[in-house]
Amino acid sequence: LAKTTQPISMDSYEGQEVNITCSHNNIATNDYITWYQQFPSQGPRFIIQGYKTKVTNEVASLFIPADRKSSTLSLPRVSLSDTAVYYCLVGAHFSNDYKLSFGAGTTVTVRA
Amino acid sequence: DTAVSQTPKYLVTQMGNDKSIKCEQNLGHDTMYWYKQDSKKFLKIMFSYNNKELIINETVPNRFSPKSPDKAHLNLHINSLELGDSAVYFCASSQDLGRVYEQYFGPGTRLTVT
Repeated sequence: LAKTTQPISMDSYEGQEVNITCSHNNIATNDYITWYQQFPSQGPRFIIQGYKTKVTNEVASLFIPADRKSSTLSLPRVSLSDTAVYYCLVGAHFSNDYKLSFGAGTTVTVRA
Repeated sequence: DTAVSQTPKYLVTQMGNDKSIKCEQNLGHDTMYWYKQDSKKFLKIMFSYNNKELIINETVPNRFSPKSPDKAHLNLHINSLELGDSAVYFCASSQDLGRVYEQYFGPGTRLTVT
C-alpha cells in the first residue's frame, strides 16, 4: 500500500475554501486516490475518488497532478458543518489486499 | 432507510463479560468489514467477509469472533472483555472485493469496559 502523508490539522473560517494536500510518492500505476470524511461520533463517509486530473462532485473537488505523487482535496465555501477529519487513502480496487488503511487524517476545524 | 446499521450504539459492560454487536446492510453488498477506532482515532481493520466467507483476519485476539449468517449481516462477538477493548467499533460494507475503496460505514458502537 502506498504511504500517504497529510497535515494533522487545518483551521478555516466559514465561507473560505479549504485545500488539503496529501503526498503519496510511491503511488502505483493501478492505485486510485480516495478521500473519506468523518464527522464526530459518526463512521467515515466516502466523498470522492480519482485517478488523474480533476474530479468534482457535489461535496468536493479532487486535483491530481500528472505525476500523481500528491493530490489536493478542495472543499469550496466551507461551513461549520464541514468540521471533520478527512482521510486520504491510496490503493487499487482489484488488489489482493482487500482492505483500507486509514492514517491519522487531517482534522479540519471551521470557525464562525 | 439506513444503509448500514449497528446495534447497540452504546455498550457499557464489565471486564470478563461476553458481548455481541450486530451489523446489517441493506445495500445488497457482497463484502462486509469490522473496524476498531481507538481513543487516538486510528481506524484499524479487524475482519472482512465476502459472501459469508472470511477473507481478512488481522492480528486480533481470538476473543473476537465474527459471524456472518448471510451476506447482509456481520456480527461481532467478544468474549472475556478487557479494559483495552474499549473503543468505537464500526461495521462497513462494499459492493464487492473490487470496490474495497468505496465502503459504506455504520454509525459505530461505542464499547466501554469497566
